Amino acid sequence: EVQLVESGGGLVRPGGSLRLSCAASGFSFSDYGFSWARQAPGKGLEWISSITRFDRTYYTDSVEGRFTISRDNAKNSVYLQLNSLRGDDTAVYFCARDSFGSDYWGQGTLVTVSS
Amino acid sequence: DIQMTQSPSSLSASVGDRVTITCRTSQNIGRFLNWYQHKPGKAPKLLIYSASSLEDGVPSSFSATGSGTVFTLTITSLQPEDFGTYYCQQSYTPRWTFGQGTRVEIK
Repeated sequence: EVQLVESGGGLVRPGGSLRLSCAASGFSFSDYGFSWARQAPGKGLEWISSITRFDRTYYTDSVEGRFTISRDNAKNSVYLQLNSLRGDDTAVYFCARDSFGSDYWGQGTLVTVSS
Repeated sequence: DIQMTQSPSSLSASVGDRVTITCRTSQNIGRFLNWYQHKPGKAPKLLIYSASSLEDGVPSSFSATGSGTVFTLTITSLQPEDFGTYYCQQSYTPRWTFGQGTRVEIK
């Protein structure tokens, strides 16, 4: 069974950092790319970053230079390092496996940026 | 970035109704268009990929068409479990983008 489990969310002050993790199981991890998306309170889904199976990375403008996506094929895990956090980064963050579209998603982890 | 515009932003329909959601893109994306269903507190669910291909396990009441800049998602007979927010997403460029969502409510 394909599973993606996010962790690492929490409460952080503006300007602070967090590292989100996404543990994958049930498939050949190295064969896939992965994305992170988020949903702020009362808002829609927003794609924020992707990493291909060949380690090419992409970011939406609002997080470029502040967030870093990475992967560890030995640990079947994808990571999102969040730096210089702002109030508008408050959201549930989802990781997803990419195929034609994102075909499997985790349940999400909540990041709250507040003083 | 490619802009995505969905319409309507919300709708309310009865069980058994036919529902259609439209997604327009700011540039030609061929058939690189996906549709998702998202319910509160749940993981988003891929319904349709490549404009019209039904994801495994998705009921055949869901269908989609389109290419270029205009795409539609249709639910032929709305069921109570079809409530939620529906999003289109372009995967034409490496920087994917979602539409703003269409909230579907059951009357």
